[in-house]
Amino acid sequence: AQSVAQPEDQVNVAEGNPLTVKCTYSVSGNPYLFWYVQYPNRGLQFLLKYITGDNLVKGSYGFEAEFNKSQTSFHLKKPSALVSDSALYFCAVRDPLGTGFQKLVFGTGTRLLVSP
Amino acid sequence: EAGVAQSPRYKIIEKRQSVAFWCNPISGHATLYWYQQILGQGPKLLIQFQNNGVVDDSQLPKDRFSAERLKGVDSTLKIQPAKLEDSAVYLCASSPNTEAFFGQGTRLTVV
Repeated sequence: AQSVAQPEDQVNVAEGNPLTVKCTYSVSGNPYLFWYVQYPNRGLQFLLKYITGDNLVKGSYGFEAEFNKSQTSFHLKKPSALVSDSALYFCAVRDPLGTGFQKLVFGTGTRLLVSP
Repeated sequence: EAGVAQSPRYKIIEKRQSVAFWCNPISGHATLYWYQQILGQGPKLLIQFQNNGVVDDSQLPKDRFSAERLKGVDSTLKIQPAKLEDSAVYLCASSPNTEAFFGQGTRLTVV
């Protein structure tokens, strides 16, 4: 069964500095990978996805993520953090060939705190 | 394009009572999910529909939870009877093929 790990409960970064939020995954085949962001009292907002092709994918609000098959990672990055980026970030994986019929599995989330 | 609509936004009930949540997915999306998100945790899949058929309900507590998706469009999730540990946000999402789009969720408090 597919799974996702987000090793950091919280990431702290100063505004203007680059940020990285880590994610590793486990699937039996080639994964579909996603990042979502959640603001307080809101649902999850889709940021970006990796399906196939270029390992560096760009998404909303200046975020990007790098797919690394050998390290089974899909870390979220942004070159210059904003205070408004402070939120809860979730990595998710889908195994398109798995028996779970493309079940979408989420990690436990990483809280990003950007200080002024 | 209209997003995923959920109602109600908030619900407070006493334990052992019943409650129902409603979801209207994005038009044309064949896949519909219900997730449970307990405070401080990631969303946990309860049930997944493909059109009006269930494709995964392995983590749905079937003794108290039920869900249906009539005509492959709207869906309802019911809890009967509710327990204190059911306090959570219930998220509905729909997907056309790859990524899923989420509603704002229903926050359930069981007292």
